[in-house]
Amino acid sequence: GEDVEQSLFLSVREGDSSVINCTYTDSSSTYLYWYKQEPGAGLQLLTYIFSNMDMKQDQRLTVLLNKKDKHLSLRIADTQTGDSAIYFCAESRSGNTGKLIFGQGTTLQVKP
Amino acid sequence: KAGVTQTPRYLIKTRGQQVTLSCSPISGHRSVSWYQQTPGQGLQFLFEYFSETQRNKGNFPGRFSGRQFSNSRSEMNVSTLELGDSALYLCASGQGKETQYFGPGTRLLVL
Repeated sequence: GEDVEQSLFLSVREGDSSVINCTYTDSSSTYLYWYKQEPGAGLQLLTYIFSNMDMKQDQRLTVLLNKKDKHLSLRIADTQTGDSAIYFCAESRSGNTGKLIFGQGTTLQVKP
Repeated sequence: KAGVTQTPRYLIKTRGQQVTLSCSPISGHRSVSWYQQTPGQGLQFLFEYFSETQRNKGNFPGRFSGRQFSNSRSEMNVSTLELGDSALYLCASGQGKETQYFGPGTRLLVL
């Protein structure tokens, strides 16, 4: 099927690490993405990983990919109140140009 | 480089009317994709255009259509609007397979 699943809500304290998880079903996924959406705004591309990679680090962001379990995670180090937003994981599939399949989004709440 | 721009940002229409939304991709990007975002269905793919040709299409009725111009700007049209078409419509532009960059969206309210 086309399912990409995420937990709906995560609450952390400022300064802690946040880990947002995502599972997908299709083994033909080529790229996996993390987008951030703030209220009233569009989607901001945070990072992406090619399916033959295990890990990608970009400043405070670390993406881990377990292809065997079809599990993707986004770790945000030293979470700040400005990180409060909805985070979407998405996948693109081989031969399916331009189409991203999104999870339902995880709302991250950062408490001061 | 300027980002993806969408116009208008907000729109109110009544049932039965039609609407046209516009998207200007990042300079040099030839692919434009459209998505609908609603609280109930989340983000759903509408269609993708590349070099003025529709390259991929989602599962939406024929009332939803689009086109792309030679300068890569794209429009989408929704005819015979229904209440359920109220949504945030997002377009994304891309240069290769890896990345799609989204615009701020057009928020459509159908009364």
